[in-house]
Amino acid sequence: IAGITQAPTSQILAAGRRMTLRCTQDMRHNAMYWYRQDLGLGLRLIHYSNTAGTTGKGEVPDGYSVSRANTDDFPLTLASAVPSQTSVYFCASSLQGANTGELFFGEGSRLTVL
Amino acid sequence: GQNIDQPTEMTATEGAIVQINCTYQTSGFNGLFWYQQHAGEAPTFLSYNVLDGLEEKGRFSSFLSRSKGYSYLLLKELQMKDSASYLCAVMDSNYQLNWGAGTKLIIKP
Repeated sequence: IAGITQAPTSQILAAGRRMTLRCTQDMRHNAMYWYRQDLGLGLRLIHYSNTAGTTGKGEVPDGYSVSRANTDDFPLTLASAVPSQTSVYFCASSLQGANTGELFFGEGSRLTVL
Repeated sequence: GQNIDQPTEMTATEGAIVQINCTYQTSGFNGLFWYQQHAGEAPTFLSYNVLDGLEEKGRFSSFLSRSKGYSYLLLKELQMKDSASYLCAVMDSNYQLNWGAGTKLIIKP
């Protein structure tokens, strides 16, 4: 049982570089989310998608973009990474829309921008 | 803005009981969630409360008072494996989840 898979697990990259974090789920969940988690702060929503073909902005979307071409995949792209984007990124999914609340998380991607 | 408050860190003894509090101020309310997150791992769902009262699930219970904007997570018969962070999240009127910073629970033998 895979659930939700993220790649890479960790990455160090230079400022200004482009980076895509991959997220794939095999649970046929409609909704998917990208969060970042920083020490001392709660999880902050970057972008979300309630269903394939649609995306929306969360609390901290600047500097990030997403796409949802199909149900299973929800990649997050940093067009030009900056040090403030150093964080742990979690992809999550839920069975229905944003109102179900119970989220299933991937194992996280630790990103360091130098 | 939305505000979710929970203690930063708590310490308890193996076999004892601990209560982790969460207070919230949000624009509307559509449920409160507790998640467990072990260090270096993903959060996992523990409980959901939308009506006032106590929900019990094994050694874990969660309580909600909507009028007071207050919830707690009660952990009984603590085990070393319960050492983790516990995240409180409140769903607002727009069905957006608002997360607290988490409470790190340290269990001592």
